[in-house]
Amino acid sequence: QSVLTQPPSVSAAPGQTVTISCSGSSSNIGDSFVSWYQQLPGTAPKLLIYDNDKRPSGIPDRFSASKSGTSATLGISGLQTGDEADYFCGTWDNSLIAYVFGTGTKVTVL
Amino acid sequence: QVQLVESGGGVVKPGGSLRLSCAASGFTFSDYYMSWIRQVPGKGLEWIAYISHSGSKIYHADSVKGRFTISRDNAKNSLFLQMNSLRAEDTAVYYCAREGGNCSGGRCYSEGYFDHWGQGIVVTVSS
Repeated sequence: QSVLTQPPSVSAAPGQTVTISCSGSSSNIGDSFVSWYQQLPGTAPKLLIYDNDKRPSGIPDRFSASKSGTSATLGISGLQTGDEADYFCGTWDNSLIAYVFGTGTKVTVL
Repeated sequence: QVQLVESGGGVVKPGGSLRLSCAASGFTFSDYYMSWIRQVPGKGLEWIAYISHSGSKIYHADSVKGRFTISRDNAKNSLFLQMNSLRAEDTAVYYCAREGGNCSGGRCYSEGYFDHWGQGIVVTVSS
């Protein structure tokens, strides 16, 4: 059972903006950097955001993220059909001594 | 470019063993922490274990502690996961992943995220 909670799904029309929340606690998000991963259908996860709000090279600036206290948020603007995927947050948990992932959010482009 | 290729998966009976391998290329393998992560199809991601660049630091998740062992051979650019006493609930796709990090003053650090993933290998535990 994941210690990071995400909404199961979000949806919006092409061109719109969606946000995905990731809720944790003081032992994980509150104490460590957060990263975000995109998993397109049938493929391995791909790093989208690291260190709370940094994008690896090649990730468009339509993807943005932030962290506040024990929660983090991923935003996707200018939504495209190619953004349909599962999105996971992740961080280290200092109490569990383990890396933990969020429950995952399925993004649907209407 | 960075490549991670898993092998060694398959079907095994409960109580059996398997050894997964991950062949790394395109980067200096000995400079990076590595992890194994698994995913039950249609479900979320579960981190299983990590190993430091030199192999001196190892952590396993409670769900596999005492049954699975992560190891590496830097001379062969390879990561391994020895899985013993397998259970039905270990059925999943297993990914090896490189942890983002850097080296300074001869020491290497993990920055706590996974910047490259293998394609995954299926492990099925069934009688």
